[in-house]
Amino acid sequence: SQTIHQWPATLVQPVGSPLSLECTVEGTSNPNLYWYRQAAGRGLQLLFYSVGIGQISSEVPQNLSASRPQDRQFILSSKKLLLSDSGFYLCASNRGEKLFFGSGTQLSVL
Amino acid sequence: KQEVTQIPAALSVPEGENLVLNCSFTDSAIYNLQWFRQDPGKGLTSLLLIQSSQREQTSGRLNASLDKSSGRSTLYIAASQPGDSATYLCAVRRGSSNTGKLIFGQGTTLQVKP
Repeated sequence: SQTIHQWPATLVQPVGSPLSLECTVEGTSNPNLYWYRQAAGRGLQLLFYSVGIGQISSEVPQNLSASRPQDRQFILSSKKLLLSDSGFYLCASNRGEKLFFGSGTQLSVL
Repeated sequence: KQEVTQIPAALSVPEGENLVLNCSFTDSAIYNLQWFRQDPGKGLTSLLLIQSSQREQTSGRLNASLDKSSGRSTLYIAASQPGDSATYLCAVRRGSSNTGKLIFGQGTTLQVKP
């Protein structure tokens, strides 16, 4: 089965600072990779997905970007964080029907 | 536009009770439906996946049903235990591609009291 590693678990960043969240996947090859955000009191929102190295699709316009430099590595970035970027960020992977999630990063932008 | 709704938002039951969580979706053209469990501050764990051609799936004390034509799914938990306390989310996948564009409900937070 797949294992998804996400770090850090929590992060507190000032407004205007850069961001880099990393996600790596074990136990599969050529997975589809996703970044979701879960804001307080809201459901999960798909931010980005990738079907292969260098292939990124954005679901919603925002202050964030994603990159996939390696098959099993997915990075979420921002050059300047906004208050509205606060939330719980989840990396997910599937190679098949089921979606597997990492343990998440709680980002607080102050 | 597909919308997924879960009612109630929160539920509190005594230990041992059987319970049903509800999920409804507006567009019946789904590929599959998945139920997840999320513990506080953690990621999601997949519980059950039902293909659009299936009516139900079972795993231990959990049973998920799907009525695609009416846009509904239920998650039945038998003999609930305090360890079942968590948020339960349902998600539907549209189309037949493998890009995993799941549309999530906002979840039902379950508390099972000992």
